[in-house]
Amino acid sequence: LAKTTQPISMDSYEGQEVNITCSHNNIATNDYITWYQQFPSQGPRFIIQGYKTKVTNEVASLFIPADRKSSTLSLPRVSLSDTAVYYCLVAPGNMLTFGGGTRLMVKP
Amino acid sequence: EPEVTQTPSHQVTQMGQEVILRCVPISNHLYFYWYRQILGQKVEFLVSFYNNEISEKSEIFDDQFSVERPDGSNFTLKIRSTKLEDSAMYFCASSPRADRTDTQYFGPGTRLTVL
Repeated sequence: LAKTTQPISMDSYEGQEVNITCSHNNIATNDYITWYQQFPSQGPRFIIQGYKTKVTNEVASLFIPADRKSSTLSLPRVSLSDTAVYYCLVAPGNMLTFGGGTRLMVKP
Repeated sequence: EPEVTQTPSHQVTQMGQEVILRCVPISNHLYFYWYRQILGQKVEFLVSFYNNEISEKSEIFDDQFSVERPDGSNFTLKIRSTKLEDSAMYFCASSPRADRTDTQYFGPGTRLTVL
């Protein structure tokens, strides 16, 4: 099972772009990279998933280099409501394994 | 947008009592999951369920725990004899399938407090 490492916390200001990088050095060939968001006392919420290169949706972008040993979640123009914990997961199969996540604090 | 619902939102029980946590997964989903999160700690996988059988379970999911899909809509987690350390948020999730690209949709959780 691929282990992920991401910063424990990050601070940002409203309107800025936030990039959260996750390392997963022993990612397997078949593994996808998935990011979830969790607000206090709520269930995790899917943000984005990718396998390689770049994926973009209405919420975020995910950049994955060719070696796939890391990935970067990019949140454009964050607002106060983006304050949450962000989890990077590399999960073979359906048993999601959450790490400690990155606690993002967006300040006014 | 369809969503996973859970009841109750908060359950308080005495140590040794049985509790049943209820979930209504998204209607066309086939795979169901339970996770828990002790306050301030990581979200931990408990069990996955498909076709009326447990697919996978973690070490946490011991004989005190059981899951059931009693009818076409509900998915339940039973803890037979609660312990203080069972106090946590319990999240139900569902997904259309169980392949590695499938998104799991989480419910809002049930906060279980064991006194």
